[in-house]
Amino acid sequence: QVQLVQSGAEVKKPGASVKVSCKASGYTFTDYFMHWVRQAPGQGLEWMGRINPNVGGTNYAQKFQDRVSMTRDTSISTAYMELSSLRSDDTALYYCAKSGGLGELVDWGQGTLVTVSS
Amino acid sequence: EIVLTQSPGTLSLSPGERVTLSCRASQTLSDNYLAWYQQKPGQAPRLLIYGASSRATGIPDRFSGSGSGTDFTLTISRLEPEDFAVYYCQRYGSSPPVTFGGGTKVETK
Repeated sequence: QVQLVQSGAEVKKPGASVKVSCKASGYTFTDYFMHWVRQAPGQGLEWMGRINPNVGGTNYAQKFQDRVSMTRDTSISTAYMELSSLRSDDTALYYCAKSGGLGELVDWGQGTLVTVSS
Repeated sequence: EIVLTQSPGTLSLSPGERVTLSCRASQTLSDNYLAWYQQKPGQAPRLLIYGASSRATGIPDRFSGSGSGTDFTLTISRLEPEDFAVYYCQRYGSSPPVTFGGGTKVETK
């Protein structure tokens, strides 16, 4: 069965960067896009971007364009999301999610809580 | 960018009732690439419906999706106790960005 296991919670100071990992198993990693979605406390879902693990191509939401980077390591079936210049309003639960055929998000990681606080 | 507006924000209902949730797009989704998710407290979202009307694997048939163009609906034919949750619609496709609606909370009356 498909499993997406994310790295543990992080606490960062404003201005720092955070890198969250998402290890995939149970399917061919390079066959499906991986998306990143975040959810601030008590708020809705916000799409950050996606990566094509096969070729490494990315698409980012305009809001994060200048401070997010999504990468992957196909040798260990792991996707990464790095967010820089962190602010307090980046405090959120960050999810990776494997897409189906065209972007419906079929399988989700457990989420990684990133807390930004001085 | 396509904006999805969900209504109502909150629904207060009792088990056994029929539920209709709305998702309106700011532009026509000509491809009907519209999905619905359920999220319970402390859990990741779960895909219910994709392609506006196709149920995801393992989703009970009391959940159904309909609509086209700019107006989409998620219906729960008979509300079960485990269905109290927040529901999100999502626009997806080969051309990003992906967008989510603001969500509808279905709570116990």
